[in-house]
Amino acid sequence: DAKTTQPTSMDCAEGRAANLPCNHSTISGNEYVYWYRQIHSQGPQYIIHGLKNNETNEMASLIITEDRKSSTLILPHATLRDTAVYYCIVNLDSGYALNFGKGTSLLVTP
Amino acid sequence: SAVISQKPSRDICQRGTSLTIQCQVDSQVTMMFWYRQQPGQSLTLIATANQGSEATYESGFVIDKFPISRPNLTFSTLTVSNMSPEDSSIYLCSVAGTRKGTQYFGPGTRLLVL
Repeated sequence: DAKTTQPTSMDCAEGRAANLPCNHSTISGNEYVYWYRQIHSQGPQYIIHGLKNNETNEMASLIITEDRKSSTLILPHATLRDTAVYYCIVNLDSGYALNFGKGTSLLVTP
Repeated sequence: SAVISQKPSRDICQRGTSLTIQCQVDSQVTMMFWYRQQPGQSLTLIATANQGSEATYESGFVIDKFPISRPNLTFSTLTVSNMSPEDSSIYLCSVAGTRKGTQYFGPGTRLLVL
């Protein structure tokens, strides 16, 4: 599996957009980019995933660069409840277990 | 989406003893996974449990220490055997969802070994 690199921590003001970057320069053509988050004392929660096109759902948007070597998770209007550790994971499909890195600890402040 | 429950939610155990953690899913699933999250760390996969076959363990984890059962498509157990303080962690189960790329996680079992 390709490895990912994320900043250790980020801050974001409540109501502003949170842009979380992820580098995955060794990603292969059939690997997807997944984003999960883990709120304190809870199990990880799936957010979104994509292959090469940008994706949007009710939680977030995922922007993948054309060369697929990096991506950005966008929380358009961050709330205090979005404070969590966000994991960017590269994987083949849901039939395989997830390789969690260290993730980005996002702190949303009032 | 799948709803997953784990029992117990937390426990404090003495070294040398064993604890069995249960994972119950509200729908039938083929693949289940067990992860460990040590204090302040990320999640590490222990094993993959498919119904009707032996669990597949990741490097560094062995069946004698972490025996797993998968008696049906909605249930699995993980036993932490002969515990030491180093086994103090959160243990989580997850299942592969029907939507491609989705996995659903249980709330975790918080284990403290004294």
